[in-house]
Amino acid sequence: QSVLTQPPSASGTPGQRVTISCSGSSSNIGSKTVTWYQHLPGTAPKLLIYNNDQRPSRVPDRFSGSKSGTSASLAISGLQSEDEADYYCTAWDDSLNGVVFGGGTKLTVL
Amino acid sequence: QVQLQESGPGLVKPSETLSLTCGVSGYSISSGNYWGWIRQPPGKGLEWIGTIYHSGSTYYNPSLKSRVTISVDMPKNQFSLKLTSVTAADTAVYYCATDSHSWERFDYWGQGTLVTVPS
Repeated sequence: QSVLTQPPSASGTPGQRVTISCSGSSSNIGSKTVTWYQHLPGTAPKLLIYNNDQRPSRVPDRFSGSKSGTSASLAISGLQSEDEADYYCTAWDDSLNGVVFGGGTKLTVL
Repeated sequence: QVQLQESGPGLVKPSETLSLTCGVSGYSISSGNYWGWIRQPPGKGLEWIGTIYHSGSTYYNPSLKSRVTISVDMPKNQFSLKLTSVTAADTAVYYCATDSHSWERFDYWGQGTLVTVPS
């Protein structure tokens, strides 16, 4: 059971906008910043979003993040086939004094 | 650009100690950064193991804390993971990673190495 809760799967068609949610608590998302990773099997995870909504320069602006209260969301607009991957949210947890991950969301591009 | 490469045995016997090293190139560990280990058991999600600051300060996953040690070897420009008393549940792809800003995020990752503990 992951500390951060994500839907196990999401899907969309090319060109669509998809959002992935991440739910936590006051000891993590509610008081700390959220990071999102994209992970394709057999490769290294890739940092997508940090500090809730900041994007590294190498990440396309189709990817965006937001946070409200104890929940966060990753949005992908203009969905492309290469976006098919697993997506993870993470945050620091003050109660556990460590990093917690969501269980991951498998995104399928139909 | 920082490059990371995990190395170590791919097979560890139950009850023994898993030892992995992460070689760093393109950056000197002594200059700073946070250095971490993350793993992914087969068919499961990512799990944070722990992070060390270049000065030696560490944070570990509470569920693994009693068995984990992460250390830095500045002369060799590498950092290491030791996990004692392993069981089949420790079978996973182990990743090393780093970031310059915080304990909890990782901008650069190694390709990962599979470690199997037979049941």
